[in-house]
Amino acid sequence: AQSVTQPDIHITVSEGASLELRCNYSYGATPYLFWYVQSPGQGLQLLLKYFSGDTLVQGIKGFEAEFKRSQSSFNLRKPSVHWSDAAEYFCAVGTTGGGNKLTFGTGTQLKVEL
Amino acid sequence: KAGVTQTPRYLIKTRGQQVTLSCSPISGHRSVSWYQQTPGQGLQFLFEYFSETQRNKGNFPGRFSGRQFSNSRSEMNVSTLELGDSALYLCASSLPGLAGGPNEQFFGPGTRLTVL
Repeated sequence: AQSVTQPDIHITVSEGASLELRCNYSYGATPYLFWYVQSPGQGLQLLLKYFSGDTLVQGIKGFEAEFKRSQSSFNLRKPSVHWSDAAEYFCAVGTTGGGNKLTFGTGTQLKVEL
Repeated sequence: KAGVTQTPRYLIKTRGQQVTLSCSPISGHRSVSWYQQTPGQGLQFLFEYFSETQRNKGNFPGRFSGRQFSNSRSEMNVSTLELGDSALYLCASSLPGLAGGPNEQFFGPGTRLTVL
């Protein structure tokens, strides 16, 4: 069965600093990978997705992620964080034949210091 | 396009009762998935409905059930509520999966269920 690990439960960065959120997945074939963001009291918003092709994926709000098959990773990055980026971030994996079922990581809570 | 809507947004029930939550997907989306979000277990997949048929099911007891109507609207039902069922229940709608894998899913704001 597939799984997702987000090793960092909480991360604090200063506004304007760069950000990298880690995500490792476990799945035997090529995964379908997603990053979602959730603000307090809200549903999840898709930041970006990887299905195939170029391993560097651009998303909304200035986020990007890089798929590294050799490391089973799909880390999320942003060059300069804004205070409004404070939220919880979830990495998720889907599989071939799994329909729209996603397996989520436990999330990383991002705090931005002004 | 209007987004995914979920009703009600908040619910308070007591143990042993049952509850029905509703989800209206984005127009044109025929796949609806349900997730349970709790602080302890995180986001867990409940089930997916596509064209009125359950296509996938997560690891939840039979007290959790769902259905989908011909207009793609979906309901989930939890019978004999337990304290541990307190959670945010999220619904997501999507076009059919791509090449057998998942498609981009659009989430609603969720229904916050509290079981007393």
